[in-house]
Amino acid sequence: GAGVSQTPSNKVTEKGKYVELRCDPISGHTALYWYRQSLGQGPEFLIYFQGTGAADDSGLPNDRFFAVRPEGSVSTLKIQRTERGDSAVYLCASSLRLTGSGDEQFFGPGTRLTVL
Amino acid sequence: SQQGEEDPQALSIQEGENATMNCSYKTSINNLQWYRQNSGRGLVHLILIRSNEREKHSGRLRVTLDTSKKSSSLLITASRAADTASYFCATAQGAQKLVFGQGTRLTINP
Repeated sequence: GAGVSQTPSNKVTEKGKYVELRCDPISGHTALYWYRQSLGQGPEFLIYFQGTGAADDSGLPNDRFFAVRPEGSVSTLKIQRTERGDSAVYLCASSLRLTGSGDEQFFGPGTRLTVL
Repeated sequence: SQQGEEDPQALSIQEGENATMNCSYKTSINNLQWYRQNSGRGLVHLILIRSNEREKHSGRLRVTLDTSKKSSSLLITASRAADTASYFCATAQGAQKLVFGQGTRLTINP
């Protein structure tokens, strides 16, 4: 596709349930990022991948959050035992490569997660 | 935690006027980027300025960077109704994550 795609666009779940959010980066982009944005705030970094490996997961809030990118392309963000405080828009971004001074990141439309 | 702080938090101007938004940050950076967001969803990249650059232009956008003051500004000239959006600055530390500010909500009145 032409841009970063994310599915689903909206997800409503109940407290305590497990959810998976999917991100398809731009073809050929080796770096992939997940961010979380709460209402009225700027996006907050969660994790980024260089290829298949998580190069920095320092933004994951706790061990209920996990992300994978097994083939170096599509990534899945997994949230276990969801809590109401997890409600937010989850944004995925990709960039062509990691250079010494950084590259433009291309963002997907996001997944709006609502935990009831 | 968020590093950048945008100023003002909200700005409302008449169509055709210029809009200026400011961003301050705390730590050393490799580059600073400005993004636009409509309706709280996907962000659109506007411009990237590297730490060794002082000014950059793209169409009606002008960005300045002052690393000694740890600040940047985004100027939108001849504003249009379609420029109504939230604008975020984001700093890149290393080649990794972006650290965003809380954004400026810009409203262009027709």
